[in-house]
Amino acid sequence: EAGVTQFPSHSVIEKGQTVTLRCDPISGHDNLYWYRRVMGKEIKFLLHFVKESKQDESGMPNNRFLAERTGGTYSTLKVQPAELEDSGVYFCASSQKTGQQYFGPGTRLTVT
Amino acid sequence: AQTVTQSQPEMSVQEAETVTLSCTYDTSESDYYLFWYKQPPSRQMILVIRQEAYKQQNATENRFSVNFQKAAKSFSLKISDSQLGDAAMYFCAYTPMFMYSGGGADGLTFGKGTHLIIQP
Repeated sequence: EAGVTQFPSHSVIEKGQTVTLRCDPISGHDNLYWYRRVMGKEIKFLLHFVKESKQDESGMPNNRFLAERTGGTYSTLKVQPAELEDSGVYFCASSQKTGQQYFGPGTRLTVT
Repeated sequence: AQTVTQSQPEMSVQEAETVTLSCTYDTSESDYYLFWYKQPPSRQMILVIRQEAYKQQNATENRFSVNFQKAAKSFSLKISDSQLGDAAMYFCAYTPMFMYSGGGADGLTFGKGTHLIIQP
């Protein structure tokens, strides 16, 4: 069984540019989560999808971040325009209805 | 708001010895889950062990065990017979039970992590 995958593994962009991160959950997992870890700080929850619906997006930092999960399969997280403080590692996780969360390898975003 | 605190940014242990990683948390909930996740270098984060707050018995998974002190809101991880493959970042995490089991569990609250070094 394939695990959670994320693309790209690393992205370097300039301030003001746009970046889109992608997460492919484990097949059959309705729940999909996005987290972010800024250097030296905790991993912070960003939002949670149940299928294609946003269950909780209370962790999204601001309106420069847009997450989608069309069709309830893969998800994208777009940052537009990117700021320096957006640098960090973005993790995606998925789970079955009441199961543990399985994490992807993360996307390291560097904004210069 | 719930918080999770890992006070040890880095720990080092000799191979085959035992090490304990500390974690404290703050919550007003009575029912919740606690987790230890491990992230090896350049690899995915994986679940090491899970503890349900309503269970008094400490969870154990092979060489990994926890010391769960609910009143003290403490949840330490003990790794026995440390192996080189145990070298990783270890994260303590929390979620309220009603969220975790409710078919739409919300996100985990994590600590900052402890970098565990295994000395050969």
